[in-house]
Amino acid sequence: GAGVSQSPSNKVTEKGKDVELRCDPISGHTALYWYRQSLGQGLEFLIYFQGNSAPDKSGLPSDRFSAERTGGSVSTLTIQRTQQEDSAVYLCASSSAHEQYFGPGTRLTVT
Amino acid sequence: QKEVEQNSGPLSVPEGAIASLNCTYSDRGSQSFFWYRQYSGKSPELIMFIYSNGDKEDGRFTAQLNKASQYVSLLIRDSQPSDSATYLCAVNQAGTALIFGKGTTLSVSS
Repeated sequence: GAGVSQSPSNKVTEKGKDVELRCDPISGHTALYWYRQSLGQGLEFLIYFQGNSAPDKSGLPSDRFSAERTGGSVSTLTIQRTQQEDSAVYLCASSSAHEQYFGPGTRLTVT
Repeated sequence: QKEVEQNSGPLSVPEGAIASLNCTYSDRGSQSFFWYRQYSGKSPELIMFIYSNGDKEDGRFTAQLNKASQYVSLLIRDSQPSDSATYLCAVNQAGTALIFGKGTTLSVSS
């Protein structure tokens, strides 16, 4: 079946612009997670959704970051007023139980 | 601070050998343990998961868990050049975010 999909695959934006990253989870998966991976760094948790609710937002690095999930499916991660340190690969994962399956990621470059 | 520690490597093994990857974790409440493989420029791919103490085998892969020692390992038998990648250890409690180690780079030479 179809896996997790993310769009765009690559995004180059100028410092100060807003960006939206999209995640389409595996059908039927109720849990959705956003992580990011910076060059040479480990995977860093951002936010977790169970259905449309976000019980854990503890990883969002600043109030410039927000996310929503609608219809228990697609999620959007929004970064406002992007900074160069936001450059990273943003990964989405979905889960129906314990195992989390990752999408291909969005590579964000802030110039 | 919940931490997962892995030796960054690189771990170099010849083709056909057994590769042994190790991981320790700090949170005694961890319930689920995962190994992901990540090729350069790609996203992590789940290859093994284990929840109970002991061994779990799947093809050439064996995951080993020792909760008392807070230790989890991955053995890859008959290593192939295509196994060359970064292996990420991850742990969590049910329904929570994964906590990842920084990964061990494995290089299998032909």
